[in-house]
Amino acid sequence: GAVVSQHPSWVICKSGTSVKIECRSLDFQATTMFWYRQFPKQSLMLMATSNEGSKATYEQGVEKDKFLINHASLTLSTLTVTSAHPEDSSFYICSADSRTGGDYGYTFGSGTRLTVV
Amino acid sequence: QQPVQSPQAVILREGEDAVINCSSSKALYSVHWYRQKHGEAPVFLMILLKGGEQKGHEKISASFNEKKQQSSLYLTASQLSYSGTYFCGTEIIGANNLFFGTGTRLTVIP
Repeated sequence: GAVVSQHPSWVICKSGTSVKIECRSLDFQATTMFWYRQFPKQSLMLMATSNEGSKATYEQGVEKDKFLINHASLTLSTLTVTSAHPEDSSFYICSADSRTGGDYGYTFGSGTRLTVV
Repeated sequence: QQPVQSPQAVILREGEDAVINCSSSKALYSVHWYRQKHGEAPVFLMILLKGGEQKGHEKISASFNEKKQQSSLYLTASQLSYSGTYFCGTEIIGANNLFFGTGTRLTVIP
């Protein structure tokens, strides 16, 4: 089956620092990956669509200069939270379209819990 | 663009059935269903494509009414392991991304 690996699982950082989160598709190529943010007891909100070799597409209200997305290869997308603040603390999850050749839907990484102190 | 789910929460006893509804205001290409346990990533359950599909495996099935842009998830003879928050994800025609619904918290008690 399709597997997406996300690292780190959790991170605590100081206010003002930057944090990078990696998302890898292990057994399939993902030209498109997606980044979501989820606050406690809320739904997953799509932040941006990451396209291999081109600029990411951000959803309305998401600061592209704060949440830097890089999709340099067909198996890796990274999200960098720059100048993090406590209000950026959240659960960040990546996903990739894994439907080619199978009925897998979108496969999700295990998520990264970011705490900014 | 966020689809609306109902009910917001439901409590079942083991063996009871439940229906979770998902409604969108946009023309949909597909509907996905996921279950998320607390602190974990969503787990894919099934996908239904434009064309009015119905699908199921074991005691969980779903339908997609293309004309109404609605989908329903049916859980029969619920088990304790079914507890979690269920999300529908919708793909709008012409867009290559997935928007999640408002969520339905399902609790199965002995």
